[in-house]
Amino acid sequence: AQKITQTQPGMFVQEKEAVTLDCTYDTSDPSYGLFWYKQPSSGEMIFLIYQGSYDQQNATEGRYSLNFQKARKSANLVISASQLGDSAMYFCAMREDRSGGSYIPTFGRGTSLIVHP
Amino acid sequence: DSGVTQTPKHLITATGQRVTLRCSPRSGDLSVYWYQQSLDQGLQFLIQYYNGEERAKGNILERFSAQQFPDLHSELNLSSLELGDSALYFCASSVASVADSSGANVLTFGAGSRLTVL
Repeated sequence: AQKITQTQPGMFVQEKEAVTLDCTYDTSDPSYGLFWYKQPSSGEMIFLIYQGSYDQQNATEGRYSLNFQKARKSANLVISASQLGDSAMYFCAMREDRSGGSYIPTFGRGTSLIVHP
Repeated sequence: DSGVTQTPKHLITATGQRVTLRCSPRSGDLSVYWYQQSLDQGLQFLIQYYNGEERAKGNILERFSAQQFPDLHSELNLSSLELGDSALYFCASSVASVADSSGANVLTFGAGSRLTVL
């Protein structure tokens, strides 16, 4: 069963505007973590932001914020004041706790964001 | 530069061959993860090592194997290669095997090794 769902294969936004990338997840574990990574055309995976399931406030990192709605099991990424350099693939991931104390992030299929000038 | 070094960056080989991908984790990180990224499968977890020991296995084929050495670098061996093995292989590292006090245990990724099997 898919644990992370990103329903938007592609998104377009005008430079300087805000954009929301959707992510829903599925888990019965009360303790989990959610991540967003960015993958530009050069290929590397860049960590953007983290939200823990017990965190009371939504995470923010500069222009990135995570709209965490626990009851809806959604963890949408909001990018404010989009820049041309934000054009990339964006991946949502969820920490999955394994037996033995291991920890493995499971990734969604990603959303391609294109920022227009 | 993320601090995670992967070599080679690009590799082209033929079906049936064997290749080795190498990863040096970020300084201080004990845990290494291998992921495969392909267009049809997305980003798939293969295997995790922590301080030299295998900790978790994902969708890793029997033709694939990995290990982490005492100096913490890791190698992913891919044998009897098939066309479908063509993908971007990522190594990532983190400090711990379990979530740290903040609960994050963020993975830092290398630039990837792009394997093309002809």
